[in-house]
Amino acid sequence: NAGVTQTPKFRVLKTGQSMTLLCAQDMNHEYMYWYRQDPGMGLRLIHYSVGEGTTAKGEVPDGYNVSRLKKQNFLLGLESAAPSQTSVYFCASSRGGTHYNEQFFGPGTRLTVL
Amino acid sequence: AQSVAQPEDQVNVAEGNPLTVKCTYSVSGNPYLFWYVQYPNRGLQFLLKYITGDNLVKGSYGFEAEFNKSQTSFHLKKPSALVSDSALYFCAVRDSSNTGKLIFGQGTTLQVKP
Repeated sequence: NAGVTQTPKFRVLKTGQSMTLLCAQDMNHEYMYWYRQDPGMGLRLIHYSVGEGTTAKGEVPDGYNVSRLKKQNFLLGLESAAPSQTSVYFCASSRGGTHYNEQFFGPGTRLTVL
Repeated sequence: AQSVAQPEDQVNVAEGNPLTVKCTYSVSGNPYLFWYVQYPNRGLQFLLKYITGDNLVKGSYGFEAEFNKSQTSFHLKKPSALVSDSALYFCAVRDSSNTGKLIFGQGTTLQVKP
C-alpha cells in the first residue's frame, strides 16, 4: 500500500495564480483532511471530509476550496494565491466510524507564493 | 473550547538518558489523545494514542505516554533516548464532534545529543 500520497511535492506560484493539490489514499478511509503547517503554529485544519461527496470547513478555510468526488481523492484548490498561503500542506486520512482512529499523513507539499 | 499545550519549544537530552516531552489538554468529555512524530521534510507519523484503560500507553519505537486525568496531562516518555529520536513531536486531542478532527499542539523539538 502506498498509504497517503500528495502531488506535487513542491510548487512556486506568483500572487494571483491558481493551483490544485491532489491527495490520494489507498486504505479505503472514509475521512480525509487538509492541514497547513507553519513554524511555531502546529498544524491547522483547512477543510475536511467525512465521506465521498461531502466537505466541511476547518479552522482556517478562507482562500481555499476542496472537493471529494471520489472516496480515495481529496483535492485542495487555491483560486488566487496570496503570500500568506506560503506553507507546507499535509493531507491525512482516517478510517472514520469510531471517533478515535488515528490519522495517516501524506509527505506534504511545500508551497511558496511570491 | 478544546485545546492542547506543549509548554516546551525544545527539549535537549543526552543519548541514553530518559526523555519526557510534556503535553497538557483541555477538553469537554472524555479525552482521546495522540502523539505524532515528524522527521525533517516528512509527514507526521503516528506514535501512540490513549482512548481508555491503562494510564500508561505503549507505542512505536519504544515510546510510551502517561495519561494523568487529574493533571490533564499526557506526557511522552522514553527510558533511554537515541540520537535518531531527534525530531519534532506533536500532541493532539480529538475534538468533540463526530468527525475525527484533531487539535494539535504547537510541537516540541527533541534534540538528542551523543
